[in-house]
Amino acid sequence: DIQMTQSPSSLPASLGDRVTITCRASQDIGNYLRWFQQKPGKSPRLMIYGATNLAAGVPSRFSGSRSGSDYSLTISSLESEDMADYYCLQSKESPFTFGSGTKLEIK
Amino acid sequence: EVKLVESGGGLVQPGRSLKLSCAASGFNFNDYWMGWVRQAPGKGLEWIGEINKDSSTINYTPSLKDKFTISRDNAQNTLYLQMSKLGSEDTAIYYCAKGGTTIWGQGVMVTVSS
Repeated sequence: DIQMTQSPSSLPASLGDRVTITCRASQDIGNYLRWFQQKPGKSPRLMIYGATNLAAGVPSRFSGSRSGSDYSLTISSLESEDMADYYCLQSKESPFTFGSGTKLEIK
Repeated sequence: EVKLVESGGGLVQPGRSLKLSCAASGFNFNDYWMGWVRQAPGKGLEWIGEINKDSSTINYTPSLKDKFTISRDNAQNTLYLQMSKLGSEDTAIYYCAKGGTTIWGQGVMVTVSS
């Protein structure tokens, strides 16, 4: 199975900060990488697909990038509504696998 | 509007079975892969599996392959998850998702306890 190593597990940040969350794939997954946001008590929401493509309705302050086997989700200027858990998912091959998650919280 | 509504959850005794349903509306159900994901209390997301449009291909995460069965009824626009030999480790919120993980339902809680 492909392992997705996500870091950090917790990320304290201030409003207006630029923040980056990273996932590293244990094997080549091309651009088959998605990012999800999950707020407390809510279902996950797709934010980024194909490693770099913004899902419908997602604010432009979110972006995705790839460098080799490292995939990143960046929020350019943190807003209060962005405080949530974030997960990456590889969808290159079955079984799909999620990263362990990052809790983004106010410093 | 795309809508996915899970049902069938609740409290179940260890060793018993349970079948979850996911009613889909607002899109052509026949045209999409569908999937299930679960989340244990306070834990991360775990991919369970997915099924293609005509049920000819079903993929599972290996650790659940012998316990869980995914199926669908395109005439009823409904996705199913049959779970057997349930244990406490299966206590979780279960989500169905369109296109595998594109749009998610609200989730249904399954609690395995005596």
